[in-house]
Amino acid sequence: GDQVEQSPSALSLHEGTGSALRCNFTTTMRAVQWFRKNSRGSLINLFYLASGTKENGRLKSAFDSKERYSTLHIRDAQLEDSGTYFCAFNSAGNKLTFGIGTRVLVRP
Amino acid sequence: EAGVTQSPRYAVLQEGQAVSFWCDPISGHDTLYWYQQPRDQGPQLLVYFRDEAVIDNSQLPSDRFSAVRPKGTNSTLKIQSAKQGDTATYLCASSPSTVTEVFFGKGTRLTVV
Repeated sequence: GDQVEQSPSALSLHEGTGSALRCNFTTTMRAVQWFRKNSRGSLINLFYLASGTKENGRLKSAFDSKERYSTLHIRDAQLEDSGTYFCAFNSAGNKLTFGIGTRVLVRP
Repeated sequence: EAGVTQSPRYAVLQEGQAVSFWCDPISGHDTLYWYQQPRDQGPQLLVYFRDEAVIDNSQLPSDRFSAVRPKGTNSTLKIQSAKQGDTATYLCASSPSTVTEVFFGKGTRLTVV
């Protein structure tokens, strides 16, 4: 079946620094979504991309369907950015295939 | 605009008991999904509907799980005889029929003891 590899599985950042998360997938996907799972367990929509890049505040995402990957960049990390981040790829029927998640911890 | 609404938020059962989860999708979204998210894993699709029709239930354990969406709006997911392995968060999501963004509810956290 469809496979998604998400890395890293965990990430520790100091406030003010940045890093990138990456998801690779094994088959053609129509679009990608990025979510953050907050402390209450809710999945918060961060980005939806069918191609190219999008930026929202300190977050930026890119999706390359031909090369089969997507990235999420965090810059100037803040304590409230802590949480588990998931990528998910949209396939036929708009079904989402999720990565395993990246646990991000932002330290003072 | 109201998001996807789920109830209850939490449920604790003994093995063998039954439970139902309810979902109200975003108004106008004809596609509704149920996902299961075990602890420390990504959500996995169980079943999805377009209007009242089941489109894909291949990942739904059919001997104990059932899902309906009789009027093409609200949906109910039922576990007939819960097992400890069913412990997970059950997420409902909805989207318009075209390839576009999917929105999730807050989920129901189920614990089976």
